[in-house]
Amino acid sequence: AQTVTQSQPEMSVQEAETVTLSCTYDTSESNYYLFWYKQPPSRQMILVIRQEAYKQQNATENRFSVNFQKAAKSFSLKISDSQLGDTAMYFCAFMKPYNFNKFYFGSGTKLNVKP
Amino acid sequence: NAGVTQTPKFQVLKTGQSMTLQCAQDMNHEYMSWYRQDPGMGLRLIHYSVGAGITDQGEVPNGYNVSRSTTEDFPLRLLSAAPSQTSVYFCASSTDVDAETQYFGPGTRLLVL
Repeated sequence: AQTVTQSQPEMSVQEAETVTLSCTYDTSESNYYLFWYKQPPSRQMILVIRQEAYKQQNATENRFSVNFQKAAKSFSLKISDSQLGDTAMYFCAFMKPYNFNKFYFGSGTKLNVKP
Repeated sequence: NAGVTQTPKFQVLKTGQSMTLQCAQDMNHEYMSWYRQDPGMGLRLIHYSVGAGITDQGEVPNGYNVSRSTTEDFPLRLLSAAPSQTSVYFCASSTDVDAETQYFGPGTRLLVL
């Protein structure tokens, strides 16, 4: 079974600064997908970034980037130039391809961006 | 194109009552899933479907039934609600070609007294 662990229940960062959210996972698979989802107070789940395990290059989306360490089974999210609108719960998730859409989510990290 | 819609947004039930949470998508997606989100936890898969007429259990299926008679709709039924089913429920859909891109509905908050 796959497990996803987010060890930081809550974090704070000042506006315009950089913050890193941690995620580790456990799997025996060699090919899989990893995701970061954002959940603002509206509860809508929003895809932030995704990484395919067979790609060594770290994914980047504007101010969001990941540090994917496959051997260490680590997948951290870096948010640069934090904005007030980044305040949300962030969930790390794992998916095995061709597994009928089964996602495994971590327990989440609440990020507070302070003005 | 409305994406994934869920009704109701919020519901209060008494223990033992039954109800159906509705989920619909207008993107012709083959895959649909139901998740529950409890405080302090991530989303956990309840049931999923890979096409009309095909469903299977996820991590936490007990107390829930599903059916998929059309591509568009994937209702979740609680036959006899229990306080442990108090949660926020999310429906999601995706295509089999791009299964890693899930589209989530806005969620249904359920309170069982």
